[in-house]
Parts: sequence; C-alpha cells; structure tokens
Amino acid sequence: QKEVEQNSGPLSVPEGAIASLNCTYSDRGSQSFFWYRQYSGKSPELIMSIYSNGDKEDGRFTAQLNKASQYVSLLIRDSQPSDSATYLCAVVNDYKLSFGAGTTVTVRA
Amino acid sequence: GAVVSQHPSRVICKSGTSVKIECRSLDFQATTMFWYRQFPKQSLMLMATSNEGSKATYEQGVEKDKFLINHASLTLSTLTVTSAHPEDSSFYICSAESPGLAGGLTEQFFGPGTRLTVL
Repeated sequence: QKEVEQNSGPLSVPEGAIASLNCTYSDRGSQSFFWYRQYSGKSPELIMSIYSNGDKEDGRFTAQLNKASQYVSLLIRDSQPSDSATYLCAVVNDYKLSFGAGTTVTVRA
Repeated sequence: GAVVSQHPSRVICKSGTSVKIECRSLDFQATTMFWYRQFPKQSLMLMATSNEGSKATYEQGVEKDKFLINHASLTLSTLTVTSAHPEDSSFYICSAESPGLAGGLTEQFFGPGTRLTVL
C-alpha cells in the first residue's frame, strides 16, 4: 500500500475556476503535511504547509487537513494559466518526506 | 523561503566516469540535507539522508558505494555518482531542512536540481 496517494489526473480547469486536489496518507501518526508545485523540468517549490486540523489559507491557496480521515486537500481559487503544473502532496514519516505521485493541473485560458 | 542551490544544473558524462553534484543552503545552516532522484513522469524518490558530520543514511535499494554522500559543513552536501551508467541518467534533487519552526517542526526546501545524462 502506497503511503501517500493523490487523486489521479490530469485535472483540467478553466481560467478563474477552482482546482481541487486531494491526498490521503496511511501513517496515522503523521504530523506535518505539505503541498509542492513542480513545473516541468524544474524542482518542487513549497507552496503550503499544514500541521493542524482545519483550513489554512495563503492567497489563492487553501489547504485543508483532517487527521481523523487521514486526508489533506488543496484548493486553488481563481486558477490562472501560471498554475498549470504538477502538484505533489508530501507527508513526513519518520522524519522523511514521502511524496504522492502528483496531480497534473492544466488551466485553460 | 530558504534558498538552496545546486551545481551543476546539467551534466553529460561518459559511461564509467564519476560525477559530483553540490548542494548548498545559501541563507541558513542545514544540519540535515536529503538527496532525491526523479525519473520522467515519476515522483521524487528519496535516496539518502545526509547529516552534517556523520555518515549518510541510505534508503533501501540505494547502493551506498555507488552514490557517495559527504556533508562536511552545515551549508554543503555533495553527491558523487561513481562509475555512472546510462541507467543512472535522471534528475537529482537535493533539499535542506530549514531551521525549526514552532514546536520543532521543519520544512524542506529544494535545490533547482541537476539533470544527469550518462552516454
């Protein structure tokens, strides 16, 4: 069983819409959760971190964490073409990051 | 966020040669750095954890004698791919843990990556 699973893509949304990304994890003891954005040919860029249940908002991004359901999500509001990338969910297990396979998002102009 | 650099960004080498990749934390000290490898269309796979002043910890299936890691200072870790072969061609990315946040939590910031092509 994979430690971190993300909803399969690709995800295509029109410009201005909300993109919704989901992630589940297997280690109930995990305490730190991250969303990274990776453009093609580039390394991952940290866009959100979340440690407590509930919502965390940063600009157009909102991360949601539900530890009881072992679920973390990312909403991108007012999606822009520049948001087109692969989004990686990452969870700390045993002091190391475990990554999901990523969800590729395409924002249509 | 914290800045991590890598050098070189791209390298092409002949089969059987060794390649060294440097990873530096530019504006903070990193006790722990990580080395990842990413093949096309796949996610990042952790290769090893590099701790300053001690031996690296390798993930299962990663040959420690082939991928030599040295973390000689709080701002520099190096990965040497020894006797490289075409199957070692990949995108190698390092990351460094930022100083502890509230509650001792940390974040990892990634270098720009090194694309290795072995002919």
